Amino acid sequence: ETGVTQSPTHLIKTRGQQVTLRCSSQSGHNTVSWYQQALGQGPQFIFQYYREEENGRGNFPPRFSGLQFPNYSSELNVNALELDDSALYLCASSLGPAENYGYTFGSGTRLTVV
Amino acid sequence: GEDVEQSLFLSVREGDSSVINCTYTDSSSTYLYWYKQEPGAGLQLLTYIFSNMDMKQDQRLTVLLNKKDKHLSLRIADTQTGDSAIYFCAEENQGGKLIFGQGTELSVKP
Repeated sequence: ETGVTQSPTHLIKTRGQQVTLRCSSQSGHNTVSWYQQALGQGPQFIFQYYREEENGRGNFPPRFSGLQFPNYSSELNVNALELDDSALYLCASSLGPAENYGYTFGSGTRLTVV
Repeated sequence: GEDVEQSLFLSVREGDSSVINCTYTDSSSTYLYWYKQEPGAGLQLLTYIFSNMDMKQDQRLTVLLNKKDKHLSLRIADTQTGDSAIYFCAEENQGGKLIFGQGTELSVKP
């Protein structure tokens, strides 16, 4: 049973560019949630995808968007990058969207915007 | 609103017990979690507690929940240098979203 894998591990982008981060969910998991963790802070919920549909969104602007594919892997896209988007982006998969299905987190993608 | 607060730093000697405290605001949260994050790594689930429980013990870890005061604590017995990390408390809302505290950096001195 493989865990959650994220790619790339590190990324440097210029302000104004666009970025796509990828997440492969754990085998058997149909729900993926994305979190942003700024330096020295706790993770903040961006959004959740369940069976290819967005299923809840945190307080992030529309330039943060996502996709979930039929194999339940997911992408996070960020347009018009800003310096404050520099953070660790964490993906978590679970058996379902309800409480305590159990979240497995990936190791994250470290995004630096210069 | 939803908010989770933790103290930022804790320093203990190897072999001592560590107690990390957390307060939360959403009384409807049914599950509360403790995660560990080592430098450069993702989040590792340590333990969780259901809101109708007062205490849960799992080897060296003891979780205490005071639902009336919305206070959660994690006790690590016989703390080792390998326990040095950042510990996050999180509550789960009814939509399955985790709300994390800012994290407590635990430093274990030999």
